[in-house]
Parts: sequence; C-alpha cells; structure tokens
Amino acid sequence: RKEVEQDPGPFNVPEGATVAFNCTYSNSASQSFFWYRQDCRKEPKLLMSVYSSGNEDGRFTAQLNRASQYISLLIRDSKLSDSATYLCVVNTNAGKSTFGDGTTLTVKP
Amino acid sequence: GAGVSQSPSNKVTEKGKDVELRCDPISGHTALYWYRQSLGQGLEFLIYFQGNSAPDKSGLPSDRFSAERTGGSVSTLTIQRTQQEDSAVYLCASSPPDRGYGYTFGSGTRLTVV
Repeated sequence: RKEVEQDPGPFNVPEGATVAFNCTYSNSASQSFFWYRQDCRKEPKLLMSVYSSGNEDGRFTAQLNRASQYISLLIRDSKLSDSATYLCVVNTNAGKSTFGDGTTLTVKP
Repeated sequence: GAGVSQSPSNKVTEKGKDVELRCDPISGHTALYWYRQSLGQGLEFLIYFQGNSAPDKSGLPSDRFSAERTGGSVSTLTIQRTQQEDSAVYLCASSPPDRGYGYTFGSGTRLTVV
C-alpha cells in the first residue's frame, strides 16, 4: 500500500460544477499537509496548506480528518483554468515529504 | 534569488556518461529537496537536505546517484554512468525553516539519456 493515495481520475466536469478530491495517508505521525497543482509539463505549485480546522481560499476548501487519515480538496464553480493535476503532500516531522500521484481534473465548456 | 533556479533546463547525454544537475534555492530556505518525475508519473522522492546535511537519502535509487549541498545553499545532484531509465524531469524544491509554508519548486531539469 502506498503511503499517500489519491484517486487518479480523470475527473471530467462541466464549467461551474463542484468537484471534490480525497487523499488518504498511512503514517499517523504525519504533521503537515498540502495541496499542490501541477499543469502539464510544469513544476508543481503550492495551492494551499491544509489545517485541522479546515481552510478556505476563494473557491477552494481544504479539510483534514486526522482520525480517518485523509485530506480533501473541494473546488466550487469550476473554471476552465482549474484543469490540472492536483497533488496532495504529507510531511512528517522527520522531514520526509510524500507526494500522492495526483488526481487529474479536466473542466469542459 | 526570487525563485528556485535549476540548471541546465534540458540535458541530453549518452548512456554511460556522468551528469551533474544544479539547484539554487531561494535565499534563506534551509531545507532543499530533490524529486524526479517520469512522464505521466507522480513525484519520486530522492533526497532531502536540512542545511548541508542529508537526514534522508532513502530515495536515491542506486549508488550511481549522489547529492551534496554546500554553504547551506546550492545543491548538486550527480548521476554516474547514466542509464536510459534515468531519463526523467529532476525537480528541486526548497522551503523555509518552518515547513508549514510548503515548498517552492524549480522548473526542473529534463534529462534524456540516449
């Protein structure tokens, strides 16, 4: 079993739709969590950190469930420009960061 | 600098040759990471530096791979006797002491071994 698992998708949604991605992790000692966005043939870019209380940035909402060891990302009112691969990242205090393999989203007109 | 700088951006090398990839992190970022990504695949962790020391080298795929970091700044990843399976994009990322801020990635070095 991988340390961090994501549904690879692809998720194909129309503009304006709401879409949610989940990511599960196996290491209960994990301390910090992030969502990154990666466009085709580009480097990953930090989208948002994920806090225990949940956090929102515009159309994006991230949640952490430590008991069930998963994080989620919700995108409301999808735009064409949201099409990308979304990577979840889990860090331990020992310094190791593990990336999920990513979930591909395509938003269609 | 303003961002993480990697060089070269592209490298084509013959099988069996050695290559050296360079990463210049954001000034003040104490942590530095190397990952590689094959086409259509996820990120594979290679090595992590905190300052000049590497607490975690567990991701280096073989003893042909080595990395060093000097002055708490620039890092080089060296691949000796390259093989075709080494072809990938090698990404470097850095983060400030508080890793709660996440990383900033460089644009990568695309390595092709022919």
